[in-house]
Amino acid sequence: QKEVEQNSGPLSVPEGAIASLNCTYSDRGSQSFFWYRQYSGKSPELIMFIYSNGDKEDGRFTAQLNKASQYVSLLIRDSQPSDSATYLCAADNYGQNFVFGPGTRLSVLP
Amino acid sequence: EAGVAQSPRYKIIEKRQSVAFWCNPISGHATLYWYQQILGQGPKLLIQFQNNGVVDDSQLPKDRFSAERLKGVDSTLKIQPAKLEDSAVYLCASSLVGVIYNEQFFGPGTRLTVL
Repeated sequence: QKEVEQNSGPLSVPEGAIASLNCTYSDRGSQSFFWYRQYSGKSPELIMFIYSNGDKEDGRFTAQLNKASQYVSLLIRDSQPSDSATYLCAADNYGQNFVFGPGTRLSVLP
Repeated sequence: EAGVAQSPRYKIIEKRQSVAFWCNPISGHATLYWYQQILGQGPKLLIQFQNNGVVDDSQLPKDRFSAERLKGVDSTLKIQPAKLEDSAVYLCASSLVGVIYNEQFFGPGTRLTVL
């Protein structure tokens, strides 16, 4: 069974700091990786996806992928209390569907 | 554009009872997914449809869970009989064909409590 691992947290950062969320995956065949944000009691919503080695930036969010190390990360710059949520990392499963990690709970302290 | 619709939003049943959930995906989305999300865990795929055919049901407990997507549009997930460990949020998602570059859109979920 393919696995996606994340530190469950909670990860606490002060407002304005950089939050760094990490994810590792077991299947070298995975090609695309997704970060979802899930507020308590709500459904997941996509933040970004990445499929090439390196960095991909979108506003305050940067996704980083290192396929050799089977490692994906999400950086949130200038963290805001509204960023407090659980962040789910997902890897594709033979391009057919996704395997989700357990999520990392982020708390941004005012 | 209307999002993924699910009903009911909440359901409380006793163990050994049966329950059904309904999902209507975004118009034009050929792929539909049912996930189970237990509190504190990530979503686990139960079954994936493309149009009205099953693509992946490897993690569906087939002795008690069943799902169908007649006519390739809306879908129903059923549990019969329910167990205590089935208490979870059941999420429906849809996407265009293929997942590599296509976002999955999630519905609001159905929170099931089995007593």
